[in-house]
Amino acid sequence: EVQLVESGGGLVQPGRSLKLSCAASGFTYSNYVMAWVRQAPTKGLEWVASISTGGGNTYYRDSVKGRFTISRDNAKNTLYLQIDSLRSEDTATYYCALRFDYWGQGVMVTVSS
Amino acid sequence: DIQLTQSPSSMSASLGDRVSLTCQSSQGIGNYLSWYQHKPGKPPKPMIYYATNLADGVPSRFSGSRSGSDYSLTISSLESEDTAIYYCLQYDEYPLTFGSGTKLEIK
Repeated sequence: EVQLVESGGGLVQPGRSLKLSCAASGFTYSNYVMAWVRQAPTKGLEWVASISTGGGNTYYRDSVKGRFTISRDNAKNTLYLQIDSLRSEDTATYYCALRFDYWGQGVMVTVSS
Repeated sequence: DIQLTQSPSSMSASLGDRVSLTCQSSQGIGNYLSWYQHKPGKPPKPMIYYATNLADGVPSRFSGSRSGSDYSLTISSLESEDTAIYYCLQYDEYPLTFGSGTKLEIK
């Protein structure tokens, strides 16, 4: 059974950093493109970033380029999202997704002073 | 960037109704479009992939179709559990984009 479990969220002050993790199991993790998607309160779904199987290719939406870094550890079956210089508009539930076929339950990030 | 325009933004229908939701792409994306059902407090649930293919475990009352750059998600006979927000996603090129969603309610 595919499982994706996010962690690392919480309440963070503007300008600080946070690193989200997504622990994957139940499939051959290194074979699949992975992604992060977020949903701000009362807003729709928003693709954030994707990473290739080996981690050599990464893709970001314009609004997070330079502040977000997606990475993966195929030995640990874990996906990461490093978020720097947090802004209030980054407040959202962040989901990790396996090819958009399987999704984690989501982790909440709240940016507030 | 590719824009996906979903219509209507919200709608209500009666149990047993046939319902169609539309997603129009600003550029050609072939069949690289999927549909998701999203309920509060839960992750999005894949419904349709590659425009017309039913995802695993999805009831057969759901179907997807394409006409040019217009994509549709149809529910042949609406059930109460279908109340949700439905999103389309294009995965033809980066940046990937979601539509703004259609909120479907039961009358």
